[in-house]
Amino acid sequence: AQTVTQSQPEMSVQEAETVTLSCTYDTSENNYYLFWYKQPPSRQMILVIRQEAYKQQNATENRFSVNFQKAAKSFSLKISDSQLGDTAMYFCAFMKLDSGTYKYIFGTGTRLKVLA
Amino acid sequence: GAVVSQHPSWVICKSGTSVKIECRSLDFQATTMFWYRQFPKQSLMLMATSNEGSKATYEQGVEKDKFLINHASLTLSTLTVTSAHPEDSSFYICSARGFWERPYEQYFGPGTRLTVT
Repeated sequence: AQTVTQSQPEMSVQEAETVTLSCTYDTSENNYYLFWYKQPPSRQMILVIRQEAYKQQNATENRFSVNFQKAAKSFSLKISDSQLGDTAMYFCAFMKLDSGTYKYIFGTGTRLKVLA
Repeated sequence: GAVVSQHPSWVICKSGTSVKIECRSLDFQATTMFWYRQFPKQSLMLMATSNEGSKATYEQGVEKDKFLINHASLTLSTLTVTSAHPEDSSFYICSARGFWERPYEQYFGPGTRLTVT
C-alpha cells in the first residue's frame, strides 16, 4: 500500500528565511504524481506545487521549489524568502491510479509558522 | 481557475438527525467528485468517489449506509450524514474533476464543518 510520511509535525521559520519541509513516500509504481498543498486557517486547500514522477527536473513555482529524489522516494518542499502569509498546514500528497480513478493519499501534515 | 463551492460552510445538528452537504462545481462540469473527511489537526482521508450518474465507490472502512453520496448532475454532488452522532463531527471537504481535465487536476471546495450535539 502506498503511504506518505511527513516527519516534521511542526516547524517555524523567521520571515525572509528559507525552510525545507520533508516528505517521503512508498510506492511500487513507476508513474505517479506528487504534490504539496497548503491549508491556511481558512482550511481551503491550495495547490502549491506539483511534480510528475517521469520528470527528472525539479518543479519550481516562484518562491517554492521541490527536491525530488525518485530513487530515495523523497519529495521535500523548499520555501524561500518566507512570508507571514506562508503560515499554514502543509500536506504532501501522492496521487495513484485506483480502480480507474486517480486518487490522493495525503501525508499527516506539517504545521509551519512564519515568525515576524 | 475552476471553482468548487460547498454549502453550508458550517452546520450544527442534533444527534440522531440527518444532514446534507452540497458540493457544486460552478464553472465546469464535474464528472468525478471526491469526498474527504478531516479530523482536527489531522490529514484528509478519502471517503468516497462518485461519478455522475453512477453509484459512489466507498473507501474501506467507510459506512455507505451512514454517508450517502449522490452525484445526480454534472455540477452537484451531495453527502448526507444519516443519523448523525457526535463522533461524526468533523470537517468535510469535496473536490471535483472535469472529464477533460488532466488526472491530477482536482479542485477543492472550501469545506463544511459539521458539529453534532
